[in-house]
Amino acid sequence: QVQLVQSGAEVKKPGASVKVACKASGYSFINYYIHWVRQAPGQGLEWMGTFNPSGGSTNYAHKFQGRVTMTSDTSTSTVYMELSSLRSEDTALFYCVRSREPYGDFIYWGQGTLVTVST
Amino acid sequence: FELTQTLSVSVALGQTARITCGGNTIGSKNVHWYQQKPGQAPVVVMYRDINRPSGIPERFSGSNSGNTATLTITKAQAGDEADYYCQVWDSTTAIFGGGTKLTVL
Repeated sequence: QVQLVQSGAEVKKPGASVKVACKASGYSFINYYIHWVRQAPGQGLEWMGTFNPSGGSTNYAHKFQGRVTMTSDTSTSTVYMELSSLRSEDTALFYCVRSREPYGDFIYWGQGTLVTVST
Repeated sequence: FELTQTLSVSVALGQTARITCGGNTIGSKNVHWYQQKPGQAPVVVMYRDINRPSGIPERFSGSNSGNTATLTITKAQAGDEADYYCQVWDSTTAIFGGGTKLTVL
């Protein structure tokens, strides 16, 4: 069965960077896009960007351009999302998500990684 | 492109709930709906307007026309109480609605 398993919770200081891992299994890794979705405490869902494991192309939300980097290690079927210049407003649950088709619904979700930005 | 959802909807147990998602000519886009219960990741309950994933009850249905997409839940149950989000793709950008909290009375 398809699984997306994310790395554990992180606590970072303002100005630091965080790198969240998302290990995929149960399907052909390079055939499906991985997206990252953020959810601040008590708030709604926010798309951060899309990563294509076949070739490594990316498409970032305008809001995060310049601060987010998505990469992968195909040997371990893992996608990474790094967010830099963290501020307190970045405190959130970060989900990696696999879509049914490139620009389709988000059918499979990771368990989420809580990133807390605090002094 | 923006999606507008009512902040909250209440429905009596066993009655029909309608959750709407407004957007300019949203009828020309594929709309997806997610259900999120407290402490859990979202789950897709409707995709491409009217398609129900396996495991989602037939009580859930969707429609999309003009400037409004609607998720309809008939015979509402206590277990349907959750936040619901609509989502579309505007070219290569994913857009979420702000979410609707469904309360089952």
